[in-house]
Order: sequence, then structure tokens, then C-alpha cells
Amino acid sequence: DQQVKQNSPSLSVQEGRISILNCDYTNSMFDYFLWYKKYPAEGPTFLISISSIKDKNEDGRFTVFLNKSAKHLSLHIVPSQPGDSAVYFCAASAWGAQKLVFGQGTRLTINP
Amino acid sequence: NAGVTQTPKFQVLKTGQSMTLQCAQDMNHNSMYWYRQDPGMGLRLIYYSASEGTTDKGEVPNGYNVSRLNKREFSLRLESAAPSQTSVYFCASRPGASGNTIYFGEGSWLTVV
Repeated sequence: DQQVKQNSPSLSVQEGRISILNCDYTNSMFDYFLWYKKYPAEGPTFLISISSIKDKNEDGRFTVFLNKSAKHLSLHIVPSQPGDSAVYFCAASAWGAQKLVFGQGTRLTINP
Repeated sequence: NAGVTQTPKFQVLKTGQSMTLQCAQDMNHNSMYWYRQDPGMGLRLIYYSASEGTTDKGEVPNGYNVSRLNKREFSLRLESAAPSQTSVYFCASRPGASGNTIYFGEGSWLTVV
């Protein structure tokens, strides 16, 4: 039972354009969502998060949108840069829960 | 600032051998976790520890044991390694419960032949 799903295993975007990574979840108890970025041979690093009381959170080039009714979130990267090439994981948690549930990841490649 | 430190970074085991992956964090976090990463499967939780002295099973605990030695250290043991346990293992820590970011170590690459 995959509670957090990233249906696109890979995404290729031209440098300077917008990258949009998507994530769906099934558990309505989830109320805190995070995006992690992972380079090869390194551990995942935190990128940006959003609480269910918001529908948007921005941090520089990165914006996360949350659509609670659709149980969907997305990460927008504008403009995309070559250093953004990595695997991106979506994660979700319920308030007070210890567990963080991750999606399968999307490999983003930024082409020059 | 070390953060979360895992050892060893690479290990090759024969089927049936045992080994322990060590993890330590220097951020005074309460919660610690062990995840494994496999192609197409994302990061799956093996075990976690909400606080010193407590441990709980995650999604894929079979074949593993853990010990929360103290607040800093959380080890993962494979008693009898199997090829299905070939994976990349990540230790992580978190200050408390929901709403706090989880911080990962750099990973341990384990191959069971």
C-alpha cells in the first residue's frame, strides 16, 4: 500500500525552464509534507516543506503547492539549473506521528 | 558539524553472515530512523526509535534488529544476511515528532553475495 506516490520516475527539462515534480498521497491524516533532494552517493537533503494549513510555500527558486482536496502536491523549480539534476523525494507525515513516509522518487535531469 | 554519521560506508557480506551498521548523531535529536533505498521503491522505513530506550518496527523490519544504545547512537543489525538485503541504508534523526525536518546520514552501501 503505497501511501505516497510519485508517478513519474524521471523528468527531463531544459535549463532555464520550469521543472514541475508531482506527488500524490492517499492518507487523509497526513498534514505535513516535505521534499528532499538526493545526489548520487550522498544522503537525501531537506529542500522545502509545507503544512496543511497552507497551500503554498516558497523558498527562492523552489515553490511547493498543496491541494488538499485532491491529495496532491507539486514542487516547482524556476528557473531550472544544471545543479538541480538529482533525485527528488516527496515525503508526508501525520501530526504527532514519528514516521515519515516517502514516495518512490523522481529523477530530474536538467539539460543545457 | 558532523550531523548524522554512519559506518561503514561500504560492505560486502556473504549470505548468512552477520553485521552491524552504526549510526550516531550529534544534534541532540530525540528520534532516530533506519531507511533502505532500493531502485523504484523509494525510501522505506525499517525501524525507528522515538526516544532513548524505545524502538518500533517500520514498513520492512524482517531480517533486522536495532538497538538505541543511548540518545546519540542507533545501530542496525543483520543477523543472517540475505541477497534481498543488498541495498543502500540511511540513518536519520529528527528533533521530535511531526513538523520537524528529518536529517539523513550519507548512506551505507551493502552488498550480500
